[in-house]
Amino acid sequence: AQSVSQHNHHVILSEAASLELGCNYSYGGTVNLFWYVQYPGQHLQLLLKYFSGDPLVKGIKGFEAEFIKSKFSFNLRKPSVQWSDTAEYFCAVRGQFYFGTGTSLTVIP
Amino acid sequence: GAGVSQSPRYKVAKRGQDVALRCDPISGHVSLFWYQQALGQGPEFLTYFQNEAQLDKSGLPSDRFFAERPEGSVSTLKIQRTQQEDSAVYLCASTIGAGGAQSEQYFGPGTRLTVT
Repeated sequence: AQSVSQHNHHVILSEAASLELGCNYSYGGTVNLFWYVQYPGQHLQLLLKYFSGDPLVKGIKGFEAEFIKSKFSFNLRKPSVQWSDTAEYFCAVRGQFYFGTGTSLTVIP
Repeated sequence: GAGVSQSPRYKVAKRGQDVALRCDPISGHVSLFWYQQALGQGPEFLTYFQNEAQLDKSGLPSDRFFAERPEGSVSTLKIQRTQQEDSAVYLCASTIGAGGAQSEQYFGPGTRLTVT
């Protein structure tokens, strides 16, 4: 069965702290991995995606993620968060349109 | 408009009522998806259209759920005899190309359905 696990349900950080949100997947086919973000009151939107090639992918607003095949992971990182990064973050495996349960990030100014 | 729109934004239904939720995808987008997002959960796939063809409806939770996209643009998700467990946000997304695995999805604002 396919699944996506996000282990951090709610993360609280101070501005300038570093961020890493975990995402693990279980899927036997070709994986296409995504991170989506939902800012308060806004639609879900794409942060970054991985299909193939360089396992370190860079997205918008300084976010990046690394695909580690041996660990079935696709963790999201940002070296220095800002208050405006407060949002809900979702990891997704698109082989069958599976999303994780989401991580709520609160950045304290 | 430039984005995916959904209507109504909020819907309150009494248990047993039928509801219809509308999605207007981005003009020219071939693929359209419906998701159900319960409180505190991620979006769960319901169904997928490529133009007017419903290629995957494996996520529809019961035969009370029905979706259509008769002209390959606007789509309607219908829920018959609503139950309290149907309360959720229903999200629509579209992609420019056919197939869903690699295309960025553009999401609408969702319809929040509350069944009382």
